[in-house]
Amino acid sequence: AQTVTQSQPEMSVQEAETVTLSCTYDTSENNYYLFWYKQPPSRQMILVIRQEAYKQQNATENRFSVNFQKAAKSFSLKISDSQLGDTAMYFCAFIDNSRDDKIIFGKGTRLHILP
Amino acid sequence: DTGVSQNPRHKITKRGQNVTFRCDPISEHNRLYWYRQTLGQGPEFLTYFQNEAQLEKSRLLSDRFSAERPKGSFSTLEIQRTEQGDSAMYLCASSAGLVSTEAFFGQGTRLTVV
Repeated sequence: AQTVTQSQPEMSVQEAETVTLSCTYDTSENNYYLFWYKQPPSRQMILVIRQEAYKQQNATENRFSVNFQKAAKSFSLKISDSQLGDTAMYFCAFIDNSRDDKIIFGKGTRLHILP
Repeated sequence: DTGVSQNPRHKITKRGQNVTFRCDPISEHNRLYWYRQTLGQGPEFLTYFQNEAQLEKSRLLSDRFSAERPKGSFSTLEIQRTEQGDSAMYLCASSAGLVSTEAFFGQGTRLTVV
């Protein structure tokens, strides 16, 4: 079964610091996509960043970057220069297009950015 | 088009009643997903559609749950004979194209069964 594991239920960092959120996943497939979604309090989920498994280069989006280790099935999210608006639940997610397009989510990491 | 729209935003119902939620996806998005999210947890997959065809249903979706997307546009999720355990946020998401690389989520419908 395909699973996504986020081992950090909750984290807190000071504003302007860098923080890394961990994610591991399990699949026997070779072609898939990985995502980090952000869910601010009482607001809808939005995509932060995505990574295609066939691409070796780590994806970056402004202050957000990933460390994709395919062999280790690891997909961590780094937030640089953290801002108060980064406070949210962060979900790691996986989709395997060769089997179905069902998006599998981890249980999330609640991130608090402290002023 | 302002995104995925879900109605109602909140629903309080008595145990045993039926409820129906609606999701309007982004125009021309052919894929539509339903998820359930309980407090502090990640979204759990319920079902999804490719146009009007329902492609998969989760084991979480008991016989009391049914979803439709009759014309390949909006979708409804109905829960019959609601139970307290059905209390959750129900999320809808849509995506475009045959290869789903990004899903856009609605704000969800929060169901409380009393």
